[in-house]
Amino acid sequence: GAVVSQHPSWVICKSGTSVKIECRSLDFQATTMFWYRQFPKQSLMLMATSNEGSKATYEQGVEKDKFLINHASLTLSTLTVTSAHPEDSSFYICSAGRVGLGVNEQFFGPGTRLTVL
Amino acid sequence: AQSVAQPEDQVNVAEGNPLTVKCTYSVSGNPYLFWYVQYPNRGLQFLLKYITGDNLVKGSYGFEAEFNKSQTSFHLKKPSALVSDSALYFCAVSASISGNTGKLIFGQGTTLQVKP
Repeated sequence: GAVVSQHPSWVICKSGTSVKIECRSLDFQATTMFWYRQFPKQSLMLMATSNEGSKATYEQGVEKDKFLINHASLTLSTLTVTSAHPEDSSFYICSAGRVGLGVNEQFFGPGTRLTVL
Repeated sequence: AQSVAQPEDQVNVAEGNPLTVKCTYSVSGNPYLFWYVQYPNRGLQFLLKYITGDNLVKGSYGFEAEFNKSQTSFHLKKPSALVSDSALYFCAVSASISGNTGKLIFGQGTTLQVKP
């Protein structure tokens, strides 16, 4: 149980285009989904937290107009990188949280490698 | 503010020897502590967690970690390392304060290299 998928697993796009990444919780309902980005050999940096049906909460320094997050259902959240540029190239990882035993547990997706040419 | 420190960028150990990957934390309230492993170009895999109870926590693949409140540490250990354990390891903390959103703070990661 507690499987999280991401699609696509990798994507290459031209500078200026937009890219949408999907995060799905396959066998449970996720009260909260988290989006992270990770640069090579670095830690995960939380970008935003999203709750179903409400606006995402962005971390300081993350442009909400550039990284659009939609959490339309308890099993799906999407991250859209708008007008992508080479500096947006990164590994994007989502996680889905559910409340269990009073503790929020997060289950991580396999990640999406974005390369912007 | 919550923070996690993994003081070693890389740990090298010979196969069959015990391994330790260090983690210290700073958090308000009682901490929830986690260890994750990441293989190249993959997401994070959960290894183990400490919520409450016994200070020694046993997890996946023979790993264990010891919660030490006085030293604010949660070091990851394994009695006998395997070459296949070579990966990037992350320690993470979440605070158990009221209204906790489940937000995890990650350490910078430690690369474990197990040599045959």
